Amino acid sequence: RKEVEQDPGPFNVPEGATVAFNCTYSNSASQSFFWYRQDCRKEPKLLMSVYSSGNEDGRFTAQLNRASQYISLLIRDSKLSDSATYLCVVNMGYGLTGGGNKLTFGTGTQLKVEL
Amino acid sequence: SQTIHQWPATLVQPVGSPLSLECTVEGTSNPNLYWYRQAAGRGLQLLFYSVGIGQISSEVPQNLSASRPQDRQFILSSKKLLLSDSGFYLCAWTTSFEQFFGPGTRLTVL
Repeated sequence: RKEVEQDPGPFNVPEGATVAFNCTYSNSASQSFFWYRQDCRKEPKLLMSVYSSGNEDGRFTAQLNRASQYISLLIRDSKLSDSATYLCVVNMGYGLTGGGNKLTFGTGTQLKVEL
Repeated sequence: SQTIHQWPATLVQPVGSPLSLECTVEGTSNPNLYWYRQAAGRGLQLLFYSVGIGQISSEVPQNLSASRPQDRQFILSSKKLLLSDSGFYLCAWTTSFEQFFGPGTRLTVL
């Protein structure tokens, strides 16, 4: 089983639609969770951290379900500019030798928002 | 604010040639620095990380090496490139938990 698993998509949705992505992780001791956005041929950029109580940033809502070991990202009122690959990222709960955090990245879910 | 630079942006190299990619960070001191590779259609693979000058840890065995000659400079090198070294190389620095990436170098080995 992969440490972090995502449906690769693509999710093709019309502008204005609501779309949700899920991500599962294997290590129940994982400590922190993030969603990154990656545009084609660009670097990943932090979209939002995911908190235990769930959190919202404008049209984006992130949820964490520790019991089932998954996190989700909900995008409301999709815009053309939301088209990108969304990476689920997990701090697996252990550090790197000598310090630092090891983040494990999913392979991403591709979203295409269409007119 | 912190910024991270990488160069070159793109590179085409023949098999067997050497490689040197550079990453520099501004606006922070003693950052933890990371090198990742993203192959086409695949996730990010951690290659090296560094918690300080001269301190390098490798995550996967390969023909690449890394060095940190200065606090805010991180270099990825190879003596002889392989076809399988092609990919998108990303440098990152970290706060306590979140990582921030540089613009990346797209390397094609022919």
